[in-house]
Amino acid sequence: SYELTQPPSVSVSPGQTASITCSGEKLGDKYACWYQQKPGQSPVVVIYEDTKRPSGIPERFSGSNSGNTATLTISGTQAMDEADYYCQAWDSGTGVFGSGTKVTVL
Amino acid sequence: EVQLVQSGAEVKKSGESLRISCKGSGYSFTGYWISWVRQMPGKGLEWMGRIDPSDSHTKYSPSFQGHVTISADKSITTAFLQWSSLKASDTAMYYCARHSYSGRPNDAFDIWGQGTMVPVSS
Repeated sequence: SYELTQPPSVSVSPGQTASITCSGEKLGDKYACWYQQKPGQSPVVVIYEDTKRPSGIPERFSGSNSGNTATLTISGTQAMDEADYYCQAWDSGTGVFGSGTKVTVL
Repeated sequence: EVQLVQSGAEVKKSGESLRISCKGSGYSFTGYWISWVRQMPGKGLEWMGRIDPSDSHTKYSPSFQGHVTISADKSITTAFLQWSSLKASDTAMYYCARHSYSGRPNDAFDIWGQGTMVPVSS
């Protein structure tokens, strides 16, 4: 079965850039999206179609996808960005989530 | 307002059956697929399966095929997730989520329910 691998944790200082990777075989040939989940809340999509931001998502969130790796970048990270982040893609009509990355803003 | 509202928490025992619900409002219910997603305590998100409310066609993750049943009643704009015999290992939060581009390669989950917690005691 298809798998997406993320680092368990990423730490970043306020105002700095956080990059979260998501690796999967030929992931660049698929569309990747990213979800943010804060404690006790439902997930929220922050990036879809590799690079697009839904309305209401700050410009500091951006995405890319090439080869075997998709990347979520948070520029000028704020304390409110501390959360779990999950990548997601489709493989033969089956949904696949990454293992999740906890972003800590120190 | 486009929203998915899920049924409340259920406390169950192993072997019991259960059906939880997800009611869509503020949009054309039959125009968008609905998926179910499991999150076990302290763990990540797992895609369980999805349904097309227009014709009730379903697709399941191999991990969940045969263990749960996904259905929908378009007359009441509601999707369901059900178990015939719960296990303690089914203890989790369950979310429903709307597909933004139902079935297309660029599909994503644009609207999520608030989640239904299902604790199952052994």
